[in-house]
Amino acid sequence: NAGVTQTPKFRILKIGQSMTLQCTQDMNHNYMYWYRQDPGMGLKLIYYSVGAGITDKGEVPNGYNVSRSTTEDFPLRLELAAPSQTSVYFCASRPPGTGVNIQYFGAGTRLSVL
Amino acid sequence: DAKTTQPTSMDCAEGRAANLPCNHSTISGNEYVYWYRQIHSQGPQYIIHGLKNNETNEMASLIITEDRKSSTLILPHATLRDTAVYYCIVRGADGLTFGKGTHLIIQP
Repeated sequence: NAGVTQTPKFRILKIGQSMTLQCTQDMNHNYMYWYRQDPGMGLKLIYYSVGAGITDKGEVPNGYNVSRSTTEDFPLRLELAAPSQTSVYFCASRPPGTGVNIQYFGAGTRLSVL
Repeated sequence: DAKTTQPTSMDCAEGRAANLPCNHSTISGNEYVYWYRQIHSQGPQYIIHGLKNNETNEMASLIITEDRKSSTLILPHATLRDTAVYYCIVRGADGLTFGKGTHLIIQP
């Protein structure tokens, strides 16, 4: 069982370039999340989705876009990369149900914008 | 969201029990306490959660005070592989709010 898979593992971008961070899960989870983690800090929520076709903003959505066309995939798009977006990005998912919020995380994508 | 307070870092000898405290004095009645950990260069990993009662699983035990204003995560026999940042989180829904956590260092 692969769980949550993120690609690529590492990427270096130039300022103004765009890229898509891929996230896929094979656990049939409805909920999916994107977080960023700056050095020495906790994770901050960028976007989340409660199911295919439904997305919502988290704490730090500016500069990012998401889509959720299938249950399995939740890509994160950076349109005009900026140095402030240098970070480690984590994707997570959780099964449906209310009250309990146990999330399963991918290994992360380390992004540098130079 | 209820805020949590954790020590910045802790040391524990290998083979001993590691006790990680967390204060969450503003927790509301329907909010769970969650513990996650993050080993260096990996994604966070769920450990355990609880509402009112103490909980135990194959990884750890969670002790919640009767007034629910604080809790303690216990790793009964710490190993070097338990060196990680441990996050105490109180959040009812949507995304998880991670603070800076406690950096637990297991000493050989």
